[in-house]
Amino acid sequence: AQSVAQPEDQVNVAEGNPLTVKCTYSVSGNPYLFWYVQYPNRGLQFLLKYITGDNLVKGSYGFEAEFNKSQTSFHLKKPSALVSDSALYFCAVRDGYNFNKFYFGSGTKLNVKP
Amino acid sequence: GAGVSQSPSNKVTEKGKDVELRCDPISGHTALYWYRQRLGQGLEFLIYFQGNSAPDKSGLPSDRFSAERTGESVSTLTIQRTQQEDSAVYLCASSLAGGRSSYEQYFGPGTRLTVT
Repeated sequence: AQSVAQPEDQVNVAEGNPLTVKCTYSVSGNPYLFWYVQYPNRGLQFLLKYITGDNLVKGSYGFEAEFNKSQTSFHLKKPSALVSDSALYFCAVRDGYNFNKFYFGSGTKLNVKP
Repeated sequence: GAGVSQSPSNKVTEKGKDVELRCDPISGHTALYWYRQRLGQGLEFLIYFQGNSAPDKSGLPSDRFSAERTGESVSTLTIQRTQQEDSAVYLCASSLAGGRSSYEQYFGPGTRLTVT
């Protein structure tokens, strides 16, 4: 079965420290992977995507994600967290057979404390 | 420019009633998606429209659910004879194209449906 897992419901980090939000996936074929962020009372916003090429993908707001094929992971990272990064983060993967279909994780709430 | 809009933002309905949810995609976006998000869960794919092609309905959970879209404009998601398990946030997203292209999706704020 194709799926995405975000093993942490919540991640707490102090401002200025590095952050990691974890994502693992299970999909047939080459994975197309995405991260989205949802700020309070706002719709989901695209952060970054991996389709092919360099395993380290850079996105909006200083975020980056590392694709690891052997570990089937696509963890979201940022070298120095900001309080304004506090939000709900969703990992998503495109179905390997049905390119119209996407699977989203359950979301990880990131809390950045001053 | 304007983003994806959805209406209503909140809808409370009695079990057994029909509801209609509306999505206005970003102009020029040919692909449109509907998702359902139950409390504490990830987004669940429901249906996909691409231009004038036949929609991909593979995610619709039952025949009580249907959706329409005319060309590249507004879409409506209809739930007939609502059940309590239909209570969720319904999200609409649009993108420049779908299928093999898989551009990023732009999401609306959602419609929170509560079935009492």
